[in-house]
Amino acid sequence: DSGVTQTPKHLITATGQRVTLRCSPRSGDLSVYWYQQSLDQGLQFLIQYYNGEERAKGNILERFSAQQFPDLHSELNLSSLELGDSALYFCASSLSGGNSDTQYFGPGTRLTVL
Amino acid sequence: GDSVTQMEGPVTLSEEAFLTINCTYTATGYPSLFWYVQYPGEGLQLLLKATKADDKGSNKGFEATYRKETTSFHLEKGSVQVSDSAVYFCALGSRGGYQKVTFGTGTKLQVIP
Repeated sequence: DSGVTQTPKHLITATGQRVTLRCSPRSGDLSVYWYQQSLDQGLQFLIQYYNGEERAKGNILERFSAQQFPDLHSELNLSSLELGDSALYFCASSLSGGNSDTQYFGPGTRLTVL
Repeated sequence: GDSVTQMEGPVTLSEEAFLTINCTYTATGYPSLFWYVQYPGEGLQLLLKATKADDKGSNKGFEATYRKETTSFHLEKGSVQVSDSAVYFCALGSRGGYQKVTFGTGTKLQVIP
């Protein structure tokens, strides 16, 4: 158990819909990362937050947005969903967000768009 | 920009065989290097890391040495077990600032009894 929790574990929805994925970091970690893992594109970094502020942006679509709240939990919002958005979405956390930090990954949310 | 290249899988080995998974990187400066492992149905977890040249990371019988001259961080294990079957990701974190960590594409390892 990494100490990172993600909800829900599974999500099935239809094209065009909007969903919110939630992540609680390990106790004491200030930085949160979001990743998308699909069979054809591997593990793609989406976005990083540190103590409520956006720190780094990766291959995140404009239809996707995220935020980190004062209690340090984070939410990833996915809107106007397409079939290709079906994937595993991982949240990870680290102590300070520095690049030698170990990232601790949650168990993931499996999103299926029908 | 930063990049990580690791050998394509799947790699299939018999139990007790020697394992090498190659990883090379491109980065400015002196990055930190990581191996993460993903067991079936789980998230990634850190296997080992090295933060400077010539450092050797080791854990659970796995080892990798940070080779600056060849920009490599190959993962090795002397005797694999069925329980080592997983996907292995090489990753780098650039020094300075809060830039993203770059992951390789992953190498699937299957160990057969």
